[in-house]
Amino acid sequence: DVKVTQSSRYLVKRTGEKVFLECVQDMDHENMFWYRQDPGLGLRLIYFSYDVKMKEKGDIPEGYSVSREKKERFSLILESASTNQTSMYLCASSLRSGLALDTQYFGPGTRLTVL
Amino acid sequence: GQNIDQPTEMTATEGAIVQINCTYQTSGFNGLFWYQQHAGEAPTFLSYNVLDGLEEKGRFSSFLSRSKGYSYLLLKELQMKDSASYLCAVRDHGNTNAGKSTFGDGTTLTVKP
Repeated sequence: DVKVTQSSRYLVKRTGEKVFLECVQDMDHENMFWYRQDPGLGLRLIYFSYDVKMKEKGDIPEGYSVSREKKERFSLILESASTNQTSMYLCASSLRSGLALDTQYFGPGTRLTVL
Repeated sequence: GQNIDQPTEMTATEGAIVQINCTYQTSGFNGLFWYQQHAGEAPTFLSYNVLDGLEEKGRFSSFLSRSKGYSYLLLKELQMKDSASYLCAVRDHGNTNAGKSTFGDGTTLTVKP
């Protein structure tokens, strides 16, 4: 079974702090994704990566950056956390074969609260 | 880009059948996914359609019409544990975009006894 793990389930940070959210997958997937999920707004893509050191902006990249130094690890960075970044953050990974197998597998999520 | 619409909420009775619709307008299409998400948990894969027609998987079926930009998820013999949010997601075309999907806001299904 694919396993996607995230470094924390719950995180509380203060405004202005630098925040690192880590995601690791164990299935040698090429693609990795960071989403945030908010009530009434659904799942919105922040950034994704289709290979090591490659990244592309999603729909809401402002205020975030990412790092993919190794294939299994994709980090989301909030350079200076703000209260409007309080959200549930979900990491996902998938193969990149273009086939039906390329479903996304999600981690358990990190609920971040910025005070 | 993609625009995906699905109803916000639905209610059904245990043992019944429910159909959750999803319509989309896309600049590229490379398959449509349905995910299930229980409260407080991560989404999990339910079904995938890339060609027109019905895909059946036990109590769950998913239908796609590419010409109409329309899909539905059909849940039969509803059980209380089916109470969850159901997310429709459309995957992009393209090389680097090959794995990128746009998600609808989800339909919260409540199954009542």
